Amino acid sequence: KAGVTQTPRYLIKTRGQQVTLSCSPISGHRSVSWYQQTPGQGLQFLFEYFSETQRNKGNFPGRFSGRQFSNSRSEMNVSTLELGDSALYLCASSFWPFGDEQFFGPGTRLTVL
Amino acid sequence: AQTVTQSQPEMSVQEAETVTLSCTYDTSESDYYLFWYKQPPSRQMILVIRQEAYKQQNATENRFSVNFQKAAKSFSLKISDSQLGDAAMYFCAYYTGTASKLTFGTGTRLQVTL
Repeated sequence: KAGVTQTPRYLIKTRGQQVTLSCSPISGHRSVSWYQQTPGQGLQFLFEYFSETQRNKGNFPGRFSGRQFSNSRSEMNVSTLELGDSALYLCASSFWPFGDEQFFGPGTRLTVL
Repeated sequence: AQTVTQSQPEMSVQEAETVTLSCTYDTSESDYYLFWYKQPPSRQMILVIRQEAYKQQNATENRFSVNFQKAAKSFSLKISDSQLGDAAMYFCAYYTGTASKLTFGTGTRLQVTL
């Protein structure tokens, strides 16, 4: 089975721009979660989606949004980028959201200049 | 607040030796799941082991095993016969149905020396 894929792998943007990151889960997995990893804050939860519904959202401003499609693929969008949004964005998928193993993608490295 | 504490920022072990990484957590939930993830320099997060809190038996995956002490809220990872490829950041995490998310610790950087 193919693993979790994330596109793009690297992204450079300037302040004020917006960005969309994509995540394709493992085939058959219906739950997708997003995490932000930075040296200062560590790994922080962004969203969890299951069957196209957002089940939970982390403590991030409204500039961070996401969605899940009927094929379980997910996207997250960050508008009005700030320097502090520079991070590794990790997507994880699982078959079931309730404590099932989450398998992570390789991440998208976002740099905001 | 629900938290995960990894008190060892860095650990070192010689090849073929055994090392134990510590993790404590704080939750008021009775039903939850605990995980250890490994993140090598490639930054790919790899699931090492999973423990269901309602199971008393400690989980084991080949050279990796855990010591789960529910009353003490402790979940340590033991790596036996350490290999150079085990060098990585190791993150402890838990998941509760109420929070619907993985809560991670700050990580322990493991070095493996010859």
